Amino acid sequence: AQSVAQPEDQVNVAEGNPLTVKCTYSVSGNPYLFWYVQYPNRGLQFLLKYITGDNLVKGSYGFEAEFNKSQTSFHLKKPSALVSDSALYFCAVRDMGSNFGNEKLTFGTGTRLTIIP
Amino acid sequence: EPEVTQTPSHQVTQMGQEVILRCVPISNHLYFYWYRQILGQKVEFLVSFYNNEISEKSEIFDDQFSVERPDGSNFTLKIRSTKLEDSAMYFCASRPTSGPADTQYFGPGTRLTVL
Repeated sequence: AQSVAQPEDQVNVAEGNPLTVKCTYSVSGNPYLFWYVQYPNRGLQFLLKYITGDNLVKGSYGFEAEFNKSQTSFHLKKPSALVSDSALYFCAVRDMGSNFGNEKLTFGTGTRLTIIP
Repeated sequence: EPEVTQTPSHQVTQMGQEVILRCVPISNHLYFYWYRQILGQKVEFLVSFYNNEISEKSEIFDDQFSVERPDGSNFTLKIRSTKLEDSAMYFCASRPTSGPADTQYFGPGTRLTVL
């Protein structure tokens, strides 16, 4: 079974400071990893994904994430936070080795990021 | 940029009634999904659909639920007899090809309230 843990329900960061939103995962094989963002009363917007290759992946709105296989982590980062980054962030995983038909993404519980002006 | 669309944005129904939630996936996408998010909880997978049949479903997706692609553009989720605990935000998603690395793109959701 695959699972995702987001250990922090809430992260507060001052505007202009670097931010990190943590995610760890568990899969039986190799993972596909995703970050999505949810703004109030909106759907899930794709930010970035790790498939293979470079452990540091870059995505939308200046976000990046670092895949660490030994620590089974995929933390989301941004060098300088904006007030507009305030939202709910979800990490998700899919088992790369899963059979056809096992299509699902497994999501973490989400981390509410608040950027303080 | 193409988007997944969902209608209605909010549906209120009485317990025991049938509801149909509608989704229009991105036009060249082949794989379709429904997820739900109970208020304050995480997003949960319900069902995946490919080539006009269910490819996987979760334990949540019991006999009260069904999915259909009635034409070339729509993808629907039907709840036959709604229960209070079906109140949630329901998200449709789609992805383009058979490549497992492809991203699932989500619609804005339908908020279902069962009274």
